[in-house]
This record gives sequence, structure tokens and C-alpha cells, in this order.
Amino acid sequence: QSVLTQPPSVSAAPGQKVTISCSGSSSNIGKNYVSWYQQFPGTAPKLLIYDTDKRPSGIPDRFSASKSGTSATLVITGLQTGDEADYYCGSWDSSLSGGVFGGGTKMTVL
Amino acid sequence: DVQLVQSGAEMKKPGESLTISCKASGYTFASYWIGWVRQRPGKGLDWVGIIYPGNSDTRYSPSVQGQVTISADTSTKTAYLQWSSLQASDTAMYYCGRHERYLYGSGIVYYMDVWGKGTTVTVSS
Repeated sequence: QSVLTQPPSVSAAPGQKVTISCSGSSSNIGKNYVSWYQQFPGTAPKLLIYDTDKRPSGIPDRFSASKSGTSATLVITGLQTGDEADYYCGSWDSSLSGGVFGGGTKMTVL
Repeated sequence: DVQLVQSGAEMKKPGESLTISCKASGYTFASYWIGWVRQRPGKGLDWVGIIYPGNSDTRYSPSVQGQVTISADTSTKTAYLQWSSLQASDTAMYYCGRHERYLYGSGIVYYMDVWGKGTTVTVSS
């Protein structure tokens, strides 16, 4: 059981927009910043978003994120088949004094 | 280039001990948190723990506290994850990562910006 809650799967057609939610609590998302990671099968995760809404160098602006209260959202616009991957949210939990992840969302491009 | 190079795959029996490693290069090792994430077969990411090599401050997930030890050697720029008695449930891919963690305003910024390729640990009798 993950501390952060994500939908198991989402899907959309090429060119469309998809949103992935991440629900937490006042000790993690409600208090601290959020990160998002992209993982392709058989490879290590890759940082997609940090500081809740910032993109590392090289991440296209099709990927954006935000936070409201104890929930965060990742938005992918202009979907491409190459975006098919698992997406994870993460944060620091001040009560656990450790990092926490969501259970992951498998994103399928129809 | 910032790089994390992990040790190779391991196959062990229950009850055996094991240490896997993660060698860092391209940045000031002592100045960043470094730690471990577990991914069991077909499952999501589990946070294991982190260490700040500069002062050896270490944090563990409650789910692994007492079962693993995280350490770091600043002279060789290497972090370690150690088990004294493996269990079948330890079978997983273990990723090391460089972690950014700092206080900004009233909240904590925390993320893993560089990841190793992973070390597969298989525990089976």
C-alpha cells in the first residue's frame, strides 16, 4: 500500500491530453514539494518534474505539473506513442521522515 | 557528467548476507544525499533510505528499518546497501540515486535527479 495514491492506468489517443493524479496528505504533498518520474520497461526511472512544477533540462514543455492542497497532477499534452510508460509521483513525508512514492500509473497511448 | 555505477546482479540464498554498491562520479559526493529505491518484480517504487555522506546522517523507511544498513565511503565516493540475513521478499531491482533534499520556505524539496541502472537481487533457495 503506497503512501501516495495514483490511478493504476490512464489512456488517451495520440495528440490528446492526459492527466495523472497523485493524492497524499498534510504530512507529504500538503506540506512539501512534489516530484514526478517516468519509467520505461526494463529501465531506471527518470526525473520528469521537481519542485512540484519545474522541468529538468531536456524535458519538453508538453509535460507540466501542479499541486493543490494534498493532491498533485501531472499533465501530458500532445501525446506521443513514445510517452507510453509508467509514471510515479514522489514527495517527502515529514511524519515518516522519509521519501514516499505513489503506486505508479501506466499510461497507454491508444 | 554525473554518473552512478552500480554493482552487478546477485543471486543469494535466504539467510545469506549481501552488500551492493553504487559508485558516484562527476559531482561532490559528500554534498548530496544518496540512497536506494526498491522495485519488486512487476511492482512500483519503494523508498528504502538515504544517507548524507558529509555527516553520515541516515534515514530509513519504516518497512526496512533494522533489516538493511546504508553506508557511504567518501574516499571512494561509493554508497552501499547491506543485508545481514536476506529473505525471499528482498528479491527486487535496487536503484541507487542522487537525492536533493532541502528546506525551501516552509516545505521540503525532495527528488532524485540522477539514477543508477539498477542491481538485481534474487533470493531463492
